[in-house]
Amino acid sequence: DSGVTQTPKHLITATGQRVTLRCSPRSGDLSVYWYQQSLDQGLQFLIHYYNGEERAKGNILERFSAQQFPDLHSELNLSSLELGDSALYFCASSVVPSGGSYEQYFGPGTRLTVT
Amino acid sequence: GENVEQHPSTLSVQEGDSAVIKCTYSDSASNYFPWYKQELGKGPQLIIDIRSNVGEKKDQRIAVTLNKTAKHFSLHITETQPEDSAVYFCAATGGGGGADGLTFGKGTHLIIQP
Repeated sequence: DSGVTQTPKHLITATGQRVTLRCSPRSGDLSVYWYQQSLDQGLQFLIHYYNGEERAKGNILERFSAQQFPDLHSELNLSSLELGDSALYFCASSVVPSGGSYEQYFGPGTRLTVT
Repeated sequence: GENVEQHPSTLSVQEGDSAVIKCTYSDSASNYFPWYKQELGKGPQLIIDIRSNVGEKKDQRIAVTLNKTAKHFSLHITETQPEDSAVYFCAATGGGGGADGLTFGKGTHLIIQP
């Protein structure tokens, strides 16, 4: 158990809908990273939040957004869902005090199915 | 941006033998190289990592080597056991002062034959 929690475990929804995925980082970790894992694209970095502020963006679509709250949990919002958004979504947390690269610990993931 | 290539995509070894997985990266600014193990239905689990100021790191049966000049790094697993069967991912990062996420290889499916 990495100490990172994600809810829900599974999510089934229809095209055009909007969903919110939730992540709680390990105790003491200030950074949350979101990743998407699909068969064709592999594991891809989406976005990084540190202590409530956006730090870096990866291959995140404009239909997707994220935020990190004062209690450090993070939410990933996916809107206008398409069939191709079906994937596993992971969050990872890291200490990252002020810079430099540190260990990232992954949660169990949310499996999103868009029908 | 960073690009990570990983080989082989599938590796089958006899129990007790060694397994080696190789990765190359493109961005000379990358300075942190972790390896993850992913079992079916689970999230990636960090098993070992190496930073660019170190050439080799070992943890029991697992070792990682880094050649900065050639931009290569490798995972070595000795005395393989059935529980080593999983998908292994290499990754690299270091851009953006550490803010950027990990760039992953495509993964290696390691099969341990009894």
